[in-house]
Amino acid sequence: GQQVMQIPQYQHVQEGEDFTTYCNSSTTLSNIQWYKQRPGGHPVFLIQLVKSGEVKKQKRLTFQFGEAKKNSSLHITATQTTDVGTYFCAALTGGGNKLTFGTGTQLKVEL
Amino acid sequence: NAGVTQTPKFRVLKTGQSMTLLCAQDMNHEYMYWYRQDPGMGLRLIHYSVGEGTTAKGEVPDGYNVSRLKKQNFLLGLESAAPSQTSVYFCASSYFTGTSEQYFGPGTRLTVT
Repeated sequence: GQQVMQIPQYQHVQEGEDFTTYCNSSTTLSNIQWYKQRPGGHPVFLIQLVKSGEVKKQKRLTFQFGEAKKNSSLHITATQTTDVGTYFCAALTGGGNKLTFGTGTQLKVEL
Repeated sequence: NAGVTQTPKFRVLKTGQSMTLLCAQDMNHEYMYWYRQDPGMGLRLIHYSVGEGTTAKGEVPDGYNVSRLKKQNFLLGLESAAPSQTSVYFCASSYFTGTSEQYFGPGTRLTVT
C-alpha cells in the first residue's frame, strides 16, 4: 500500500528556534493534511493542501506542498512551549475513502 | 456539541477476553474510522465505514470486528484479546471522504495482559 514517510522522528529545540518536519511519498498525492497531537491528547486537524506548490500560513506555521505533489513540509518559526506535541501528515488513499498517516514527528521545546 | 466521544477511556483485559469499544458522533458525519496508535508507528487504520450499515477493512483489521447500525455510532469489537492489541484506540469521523478533515475522539487506552 501507499506509504507516507515522515522525518525526523524526534526533534528537540530551544524555545525561539525554528522547526521543520518533512513528509515524503513515492507516488503523487491528491492532497495532504496535517494534524497535531498534544501529549496525552488526540490528533487535531491543522490544515489541508491540495494544489501543486501550495503554501499556506497559520501565524507562525507555514505549510508547503511540493511542485510534484510528492512531498510536503511544516515549518514553525520561533517555537514556543505551546508547540510541543507530535505532528502528523496524512495523505488520501484507497480511492479517496481513507487517509494514510505518516509516523509523525515528536517536537520537544526546551526553555 | 460533544463532537466525537469514546467509551471507555481505559480498560485492562486478560488474554482471551472480549470487549466492545463504543464511538459516538453528533455531527451527522457519514464517514467513521477506527485507528490504533502504537509508539513510533503513527496512526494505523483498523476499519472504517462510509455510511450507516457499511464497513470496510483498513490496514490492520485482523482480530477486530466493527458494526455501524446507526449513523452516529461505530463499534469496535475484540472477540479474543491478545497482548499485541495493547494500544491506544482512536475513533474519528468526517463529513466526506479523505478530502475532509477528520475529527478524533479522546481515545481509549487498552492493556491486554
